[in-house]
Amino acid sequence: DTGVSQNPRHKITKRGQNVTFRCDPISEHNRLYWYRQTLGQGPEFLTYFQNEAQLEKSRLLSDRFSAERPKGSFSTLEIQRTEQGDSAMYLCASSLGANTGELFFGEGSRLTVL
Amino acid sequence: AQTVTQSQPEMSVQEAETVTLSCTYDTSESDYYLFWYKQPPSRQMILVIRQEAYKQQNATENRFSVNFQKAAKSFSLKISDSQLGDAAMYFCAYRSPAGGTSYGKLTFGQGTILTVHP
Repeated sequence: DTGVSQNPRHKITKRGQNVTFRCDPISEHNRLYWYRQTLGQGPEFLTYFQNEAQLEKSRLLSDRFSAERPKGSFSTLEIQRTEQGDSAMYLCASSLGANTGELFFGEGSRLTVL
Repeated sequence: AQTVTQSQPEMSVQEAETVTLSCTYDTSESDYYLFWYKQPPSRQMILVIRQEAYKQQNATENRFSVNFQKAAKSFSLKISDSQLGDAAMYFCAYRSPAGGTSYGKLTFGQGTILTVHP
């Protein structure tokens, strides 16, 4: 499978715990995006990487959130001291440059904070 | 900032019939891209159709077509000959042109749940 891969698919954690999600983009894609999607809503932009550089972060990304993309390949999204309001689907998408316009999405990582 | 609005939380259609999903957006840019994405239950989002704002001709992909009204900032999706597999959440999305500060990120609407009845 050469699509965008996200792990774990589902994470249940207790409030206050740290969680980390991983995204493996399509191999030749240099752009990587993280979105958050709550039930019944559209995805909201969190952050964007071009290669290994994090070029934009949304105000939604509080200090408890950190994302990395070492070596410009896979990316991780860590949430520290989780809160119940963090419960959502975290989507990763990748694209090859911006001109094509198409983002390829993974199946998402669903976070449930108890 | 750009905004995208989908005013129909849910729509339903009979199999083989035609349905139109609505989308409006707000922007001060003259050049941009618009998309419809489909998100089946528990599956990843996939691109349905794309429209470049500088093109006057409406995009078509098989049974899917759009009605792009630039002046009205309207971008509706028409699904013809609806199939059971079309049942999904549909999102309208906006993207600024390359070279801007958006870096190709998409701004999504709230989504429309489409139910297809056999």
